[in-house]
Amino acid sequence: EIVLTQSPVTLSVSPGESATLSCRASQSISNNLAWYQHKPGQAPRLLIYAASTRATGVPARFSGRGSGTEFALTISSLQSEDFAVYYCQQYNNWPPLLTFGGGTKVEIK
Amino acid sequence: EVHLAESGGGLVQPGGSLRLSCVVSGLTFSDHAMGWVRQAPGKGLEWVSVISGVGGVTYYADSVKGRFTVSRDNSRNTLYLQMSSLRADDTAVYYCAKAIAYCDTTTCYTGYNWFDSWGQGTLVTVSS
Repeated sequence: EIVLTQSPVTLSVSPGESATLSCRASQSISNNLAWYQHKPGQAPRLLIYAASTRATGVPARFSGRGSGTEFALTISSLQSEDFAVYYCQQYNNWPPLLTFGGGTKVEIK
Repeated sequence: EVHLAESGGGLVQPGGSLRLSCVVSGLTFSDHAMGWVRQAPGKGLEWVSVISGVGGVTYYADSVKGRFTVSRDNSRNTLYLQMSSLRADDTAVYYCAKAIAYCDTTTCYTGYNWFDSWGQGTLVTVSS
């Protein structure tokens, strides 16, 4: 099973600053990685797929990069609505298994 | 606009059963694979199951295999998750989600499976 390790667990950022979140895979997953944003009580939202392709309607301040085992999500100029938990998800050893990382909480500093 | 609405959650005793439903609108339902993802209290997201558009192909996480069954009724635009032999660690909010996946009648193909639309979730609590 591929394990995704996200770091840091919590990131404190001031509005207007940028934030970079890391997702490391236990083995190579090519570019088969997605990123989601999740706010309490809401549906998760797809941000990025194929490691770097923004989903429809996602602002350009969200960008993804990486391949193999190292991936990053950067949020430039954080807005108030960006404070949330972010998850990465791999689909490289699909089928039969999909796995999510443990999440990074981006909180207001 | 795609809309997904889960229902059927509630309190159930350990060893019991429950069936979740997810009604989907705003798309041609049978064209799309669908999945279930859950989130236990204070924990992260955990994939549960995926079913192909025509329903012939299903996949499960090891943690639910043999206990949960995913199905769909394309005439009713509805996805189901039949849960049995429920345990305390199945307590979670269960989300249905539309999958971007490519499946034929026998398998789904590697390199694709992310979830681009999600419901608000339904809470399942397993407790005596």
